[in-house]
Amino acid sequence: GDSVTQMEGPVTLSEEAFLTINCTYTATGYPSLFWYVQYPGEGLQLLLKATKADDKGSNKGFEATYRKETTSFHLEKGSVQVSDSAVYFCALIPFSGNTPLVFGKGTRLSVIA
Amino acid sequence: DTGVSQDPRHKITKRGQNVTFRCDPISEHNRLYWYRQTLGQGPEFLTYFQNEAQLEKSRLLSDRFSAERPKGSFSTLEIQRTEQGDSAMYLCASSPDIDTQYFGPGTRLTVL
Repeated sequence: GDSVTQMEGPVTLSEEAFLTINCTYTATGYPSLFWYVQYPGEGLQLLLKATKADDKGSNKGFEATYRKETTSFHLEKGSVQVSDSAVYFCALIPFSGNTPLVFGKGTRLSVIA
Repeated sequence: DTGVSQDPRHKITKRGQNVTFRCDPISEHNRLYWYRQTLGQGPEFLTYFQNEAQLEKSRLLSDRFSAERPKGSFSTLEIQRTEQGDSAMYLCASSPDIDTQYFGPGTRLTVL
């Protein structure tokens, strides 16, 4: 079945460091890909998405590119801030659509000043 | 746009009791999803509605679980005869299309 694999955390970075959180997926066809973020005590928020190969999703300085050849959707940010500390979830919706999100296990990021 | 709301935010119950959670989606979103999230895991799908029709149910949704969306607006998720393994965060999401889902804050259930 469809699945998402994320790098295990926790990840601890200093402020202004470069961030990469790896995400790979297994799915038939061309799924839509997402990154969600969960700040402490809050619900999941959509961070960015990409719906076809080579698309780049971006938001709040975060970027991820849909790479079909490597079945990956790695999350990057050039300079993290303390306020980016959260749990990040990679997810997909299968090509057929109208079906639920399939999530990875999440990666906890802590940014220290 | 007031966002997806869920009630209650926290529920503590004793094993064997029944509990009911409510989700109010973003207005005009015809798709509504329920997920369950346990500590250290990503959310797992439970069930999905399009308008008032329940279109898909996960094998995680045992016979003790039932969900309704009677008028295609708010939804309820009921768990009968709760077990300690039901302790989790129950998340609701709504969607205006086949891609983007907007999540509520969740209901945290603790079964003693």
